[in-house]
Amino acid sequence: AQSVTQLDSQVPVFEEAPVELRCNYSSSVSVYLFWYVQYPNQGLQLLLKYLSGSTLVKGINGFEAEFNKSQTSFHLRKPSVHISDTAEYFCAVNSGFQKLVFGTGTRLLVSP
Amino acid sequence: ETGVTQTPRHLVMGMTNKKSLKCEQHLGHNAMYWYKQSAKKPLELMFVYSLEERVENNSVPSRFSPECPNSSHLFLHLHTLQPEDSALYLCASSQDAYSDTQYFGPGTRLTVL
Repeated sequence: AQSVTQLDSQVPVFEEAPVELRCNYSSSVSVYLFWYVQYPNQGLQLLLKYLSGSTLVKGINGFEAEFNKSQTSFHLRKPSVHISDTAEYFCAVNSGFQKLVFGTGTRLLVSP
Repeated sequence: ETGVTQTPRHLVMGMTNKKSLKCEQHLGHNAMYWYKQSAKKPLELMFVYSLEERVENNSVPSRFSPECPNSSHLFLHLHTLQPEDSALYLCASSQDAYSDTQYFGPGTRLTVL
């Protein structure tokens, strides 16, 4: 069975500082990995995804994530955050022909 | 992103009411999903439709009744709900069932009094 762990429920950070949101997964087969962002009162928007190939994936809004198979991780990073990045971020895993499994989310709080 | 739309965006209903949530996708996808998002809990997959046939029903109470008349539209009919059913209901679509990327609508915020 697949599972996703987002250890940090909330990450406070100052504007223009770097940030890393952690995601670890568990799966016995090859995986597809995703990061979604949810702004207040909105649905989920795809930030980036890893299907295969290069382990460093670049997404929208300056975010990137690195797939690390040995550590079963897919951490999300941004070198310099903006106030507008304040949102809930969800990591998700899919092992193909199975349902997408989400983590519990990490709330990123960017302050001036 | 207007590929998946949902109406209404907000809904308040009593426990004896009957209402319906609507989802429409303009992406030409073959699969559609209903999720429930409650505070402090992971997203819960409720139903999956592939080519208008239900392929998954995750032990959802019968007071939730999905309908998929065609590959572009998905409904969630609600009746005799409970206060604990209050949540954000999200619709999503993907090219095929369980294919790599799901695209989400903005959700319907449901409050059951």
